[in-house]
Amino acid sequence: SQQGEEDPQALSIQEGENATMNCSYKTSINNLQWYRQNSGRGLVHLILIRSNEREKHSGRLRVTLDTSKKSSSLLITASRAADTASYFCAVLNFGNEKLTFGTGTRLTIIP
Amino acid sequence: EPEVTQTPSHQVTQMGQEVILRCVPISNHLYFYWYRQILGQKVEFLVSFYNNEISEKSEIFDDQFSVERPDGSNFTLKIRSTKLEDSAMYFCASRPAQGGYGYTFGSGTRLTVV
Repeated sequence: SQQGEEDPQALSIQEGENATMNCSYKTSINNLQWYRQNSGRGLVHLILIRSNEREKHSGRLRVTLDTSKKSSSLLITASRAADTASYFCAVLNFGNEKLTFGTGTRLTIIP
Repeated sequence: EPEVTQTPSHQVTQMGQEVILRCVPISNHLYFYWYRQILGQKVEFLVSFYNNEISEKSEIFDDQFSVERPDGSNFTLKIRSTKLEDSAMYFCASRPAQGGYGYTFGSGTRLTVV
């Protein structure tokens, strides 16, 4: 089954606005992680939220997790041009080591 | 901040040739991974490695692929006889033994099979 599907696929906002990206998954998870990827570059880990957590903050990032709806959201507040990148959610199931990535949201911040 | 280092950053190879992609994980990490991303597609899991052996592998990781940790620092992915469809970005990642930490990814090797 597919895991970690993000929406929207693409998002363009003005600098200074907030950006919200969503992720849905299908099975029970150990944790859910968000990564950023600049074009043609590696994946940078942003934040991890465990299945027993509901919300987590890191700087301008806020992640929520609703295990009853099997969904997560990533909020970037006060966006900057440097936030332009693709954002991926990835889920880790219990009992294995395989991170399953979503298709990603392409975020463009317009200066 | 500690990094996962991958070499080379780009590799072009003829179909049927063997390639070895190299990675130096973070020194105190104990779990190692290879992922790949075909252009425009999802990041896909290939293999995980712990305690000097494969702990999990995907359907993609067939007999053409192998991994090795030849010494205390390097972690390699070998593709024995490359196919056109092996063209992708290959990412190495590592994480500490304790759970609850995200993975640290390298910047990737872009493999082009011609």
